[in-house]
Amino acid sequence: DTGVSQDPRHKITKRGQNVTFRCDPISEHNRLYWYRQTLGQGPEFLTYFQNEAQLEKSRLLSDRFSAERPKGSFSTLEIQRTEQGDSAMYLCASSFSGYSPLHFGNGTRLTVT
Amino acid sequence: DQQVKQNSPSLSVQEGRISILNCDYTNSMFDYFLWYKKYPAEGPTFLISISSIKDKNEDGRFTVFLNKSAKHLSLHIVPSQPGDSAVYFCAASAQETSGSRLTFGEGTQLTVNP
Repeated sequence: DTGVSQDPRHKITKRGQNVTFRCDPISEHNRLYWYRQTLGQGPEFLTYFQNEAQLEKSRLLSDRFSAERPKGSFSTLEIQRTEQGDSAMYLCASSFSGYSPLHFGNGTRLTVT
Repeated sequence: DQQVKQNSPSLSVQEGRISILNCDYTNSMFDYFLWYKKYPAEGPTFLISISSIKDKNEDGRFTVFLNKSAKHLSLHIVPSQPGDSAVYFCAASAQETSGSRLTFGEGTQLTVNP
């Protein structure tokens, strides 16, 4: 399977705990994106990387959120001191540069209790 | 500030008929437009795209139309099949200013009845 892979698929955590998600993009793609989706809404942009450089962060990405892409391969998204409002589907996508569609993984469903 | 809007939350059509999904945008810098399909518990799947230099792009049963003056695009599915039942998202990007970052609409739930 050469698609975008995300781990875990589901995460339940208590408020105040830290969580980390992993994304493995399509290997030839140099761009990697994180999005968040809540019920009844379209995906909302969080941040993206070109190779290992984080080029843009949304204002939705509070200082409790941090993303990394060491060596320009897989990426991690960490949420510190989780809040109930962080409950959502976290989607990762990858693409080539330029006019190229994003290819999404199946997401990590986070539930904060 | 909802830059991409899908005003119909749901659409129901009969199998074999045409499905038309609509999308409006406000940002005149958008120059690349895409449609995605999403099944429950899966990520969005890319369907078809169009750049602003074209007004139509076709791929099998799927055709996307772009009207730049009206800032409107639509997705036509002909003929519709029950397996097309899913949520459809319109998305757009401004390649010159924001790279491939996509802005999504809220989605339209399409139901194709046998």
